[in-house]
Amino acid sequence: DQQVKQNSPSLSVQEGRISILNCDYTNSMFDYFLWYKKYPAEGPTFLISISSIKDKNEDGRFTVFLNKSAKHLSLHIVPSQPGDSAVYFCAASEGGAQKLVFGQGTRLTINP
Amino acid sequence: GAVVSQHPSRVICKSGTSVKIECRSLDFQATTMFWYRQFPKQSLMLMATSNEGSKATYEQGVEKDKFLINHASLTLSTLTVTSAHPEDSSFYICSASGKDTSNYGYTFGSGTRLTVV
Repeated sequence: DQQVKQNSPSLSVQEGRISILNCDYTNSMFDYFLWYKKYPAEGPTFLISISSIKDKNEDGRFTVFLNKSAKHLSLHIVPSQPGDSAVYFCAASEGGAQKLVFGQGTRLTINP
Repeated sequence: GAVVSQHPSRVICKSGTSVKIECRSLDFQATTMFWYRQFPKQSLMLMATSNEGSKATYEQGVEKDKFLINHASLTLSTLTVTSAHPEDSSFYICSASGKDTSNYGYTFGSGTRLTVV
């Protein structure tokens, strides 16, 4: 039972354009969502998070949007840079439990 | 910022032997540590949660006698894969959460690539 889903295994975007990564979840009890960036053979690096009481959180080039009614969140990266090429995971937690449920990841490639 | 050190980064062992992986929080006290496993091109799957000084809580389907977790101090947790078999080959990652969880910014270690031959 995949509670957090990233349906696009890969995404290719031109440098300077906007990258939009999507994530869907099924557990309505999730109340905190995070995005991580991961390079091969390395641990995930935290990017940005959002609480379920908000619908948007912005940090520099990264913005996360949350649509609770659709159980959908997205990560926008603008402008996209070559260094953004990596695998991006969304993750969710429930009720302060702290343990994370991860999506399958989306491999983002930024083309020069 | 918070740093979690995990080692070894990669290990090759013979089938039937045991392997220990260490996870250390370098500049904060990790009240909770998590151990994940990632198969190639798949998601990170939580194996167990450990709180300092208490027994680990294992996720369903994870054999606690095979994956021994010790969290003896606020800065160190270890995962021991006992009697390793080729199917245990995977990428193991720890994360740590400190007393200040206001930002939920769990910090991850760099991971350990285990290959059992």
